[in-house]
Amino acid sequence: EADIYQTPRYLVIGTGKKITLECSQTMGHDKMYWYQQDPGMELHLIHYSYGVNSTEKGDLSSESTVSRIRTEHFPLTLESARPSHTSQYLCASSGHRGSYEQYFGPGTRLTVT
Amino acid sequence: AQSVTQLDSQVPVFEEAPVELRCNYSSSVSVYLFWYVQYPNQGLQLLLKYLSGSTLVKGINGFEAEFNKSQTSFHLRKPSVHISDTAEYFCAVSDPREYGNKLVFGAGTILRVKS
Repeated sequence: EADIYQTPRYLVIGTGKKITLECSQTMGHDKMYWYQQDPGMELHLIHYSYGVNSTEKGDLSSESTVSRIRTEHFPLTLESARPSHTSQYLCASSGHRGSYEQYFGPGTRLTVT
Repeated sequence: AQSVTQLDSQVPVFEEAPVELRCNYSSSVSVYLFWYVQYPNQGLQLLLKYLSGSTLVKGINGFEAEFNKSQTSFHLRKPSVHISDTAEYFCAVSDPREYGNKLVFGAGTILRVKS
């Protein structure tokens, strides 16, 4: 059973607010990822990290930023939320030797009004 | 760049009937392939994966998939579905030559099981 957690699960917030979506994993994985998921669309990778102090932008351009100060923690921040940021955000991790799959958290559904 | 095509956006099927969800990928080189399931308001759960070896892969919940290199396909099958299989299914591909286990996903197929 994968142990990866996301908070909050649901968030409704007004335009212009700063928000941080939390993601933590207890598996000791070195690789972590953030995806954006819209209904009927594929998951788009927006950020990833291969270890502490390592972060990269993904295939889909995003105004969000991430940090990786601790192995287990990979928060995503939006400095000024806009309605176009309304989406589901999924966090995942990977890293056991010989295991190539990613383990996903339950997601955060963000609505910006 | 790799891409994944899931040929059906929705598949309705009656309970206890067989089902096949289709997936094609673009790469002509060796790939790793995955099927994930997403239940409403949840994250993705791994159903099965193909890394190498036997082309028929068995997963959880009675699902299996067959890797076909010549047709660049990785279709998911179940001989008899249950109401509880109603969910969205995602096919994904990874390039083993690239560090990082990054996945490219298809757009998903919604499986609706009717009683």
